[in-house]
Amino acid sequence: DAGVIQSPRHEVTEMGQEVTLRCKPISGHNSLFWYRQTMMRGLELLIYFNNNVPIDDSGMPEDRFSAKMPNASFSTLKIQPSEPRDSAVYFCASSSAGSSGGALLEQYFGPGTRLTVT
Amino acid sequence: ILNVEQSPQSLHVQEGDSTNFTCSFPSSNFYALHWYRWETAKSPEALFVMTLNGDEKKKGRISATLNTKEGYSYLYIKGSQPEDSATYLCAFLSGYSTLTFGKGTMLLVSP
Repeated sequence: DAGVIQSPRHEVTEMGQEVTLRCKPISGHNSLFWYRQTMMRGLELLIYFNNNVPIDDSGMPEDRFSAKMPNASFSTLKIQPSEPRDSAVYFCASSSAGSSGGALLEQYFGPGTRLTVT
Repeated sequence: ILNVEQSPQSLHVQEGDSTNFTCSFPSSNFYALHWYRWETAKSPEALFVMTLNGDEKKKGRISATLNTKEGYSYLYIKGSQPEDSATYLCAFLSGYSTLTFGKGTMLLVSP
């Protein structure tokens, strides 16, 4: 199994530009999570999907952030417009928790996307 | 915002030492407690997911215990090896919110 795949691995962009991060979960997993990791705040959950439906997006910082999961094998996290304070490592994780709860089973993390906004 | 505290923040031990660290979380409406191992330049890797009070889990030299009534979990490493050097994260799931991670305990094991 290839594990959770994220692209790009590194992204450097200028303030104001749109950024799209991509994630392919492990095949068969029906829960997908987007996290942001910073030195100040550690690992924070942004949003999670269960069976392609957003369940909790309370961690999304503001309207500039949006996430979609059009099918079971693909999700995007978009930042528009990007700001320097969005610089962080963004992780995607998936699990096979089923319909009863997205975080009751262990999560498998992708390698992360390191975003730098100048 | 839930408070998930890990202590100590960092720990430096010698090869062969046994060590343990703590994760504290709210004791109400408990669903699950996760432990992850996070090596530098890699991504977090699941160690355990614990759901029952009194749960004990073991994977090789690493084990964990859970006390949901008082809101803490211990992670133990027996006979630490340099390859155990990593940040160990716990994450708490309650009925009120989604998974909340602690800041981690950074372990360094010297040969």
